[in-house]
Amino acid sequence: GAVVSQHPSWVICKSGTSVKIECRSLDFQATTMFWYRQFPKQSLMLMATSNEGSKATYEQGVEKDKFLINHASLTLSTLTVTSAHPEDSSFYICSYDRGTASAFFGQGTRLTVV
Amino acid sequence: DAKTTQPNSMESNEEEPVHLPCNHSTISGTDYIHWYRQLPSQGPEYVIHGLTSNVNNRMASLAIAEDRKSSTLILHRATLRDAAVYYCILAGGNEKLTFGTGTRLTIIP
Repeated sequence: GAVVSQHPSWVICKSGTSVKIECRSLDFQATTMFWYRQFPKQSLMLMATSNEGSKATYEQGVEKDKFLINHASLTLSTLTVTSAHPEDSSFYICSYDRGTASAFFGQGTRLTVV
Repeated sequence: DAKTTQPNSMESNEEEPVHLPCNHSTISGTDYIHWYRQLPSQGPEYVIHGLTSNVNNRMASLAIAEDRKSSTLILHRATLRDAAVYYCILAGGNEKLTFGTGTRLTIIP
């Protein structure tokens, strides 16, 4: 099946710095990818939809200037958490557009802001 | 989005079958029933999906009620590696997936 590679798997950063998370599709071309966030003991919450060659679409309540998404190619989407703060500490997960079939998710990135 | 209702948690003994229920009384005619599972500290993993007929694959079986208002994910022989949170999700066509709280499955050795 399709494989989604997410990097890094974990990262610790200082408050006020920025962190970039990469999501690569290894054996397919993804026009659309999704970014989720998951806090401890909670379910996944969709943050934004990443569209190749155009601006991302953000869910209500998600700050687009804080969570920068770039989908410059059909195999790479990046999420940059800018000016990170401890409340941004979470598990970030990417997924590719599934159509009517199954979706494939990255391994997730655990971000800890200290 | 049509919503689903799942028990918060379930336990099962290793090597026994597991039946995970999901209620979706407001399902629309175009909604597919999807099941994903999430192991600790990992991204979700596709398990199975169906529309009206029961479905089988190497991981599990999906039994869909005739009125489609409920479904059951069946793991035929649970192993410790099946311990995860299982999500039942309704989505039609190209709709994005909306995750609920799922069922936390614990496997007892």
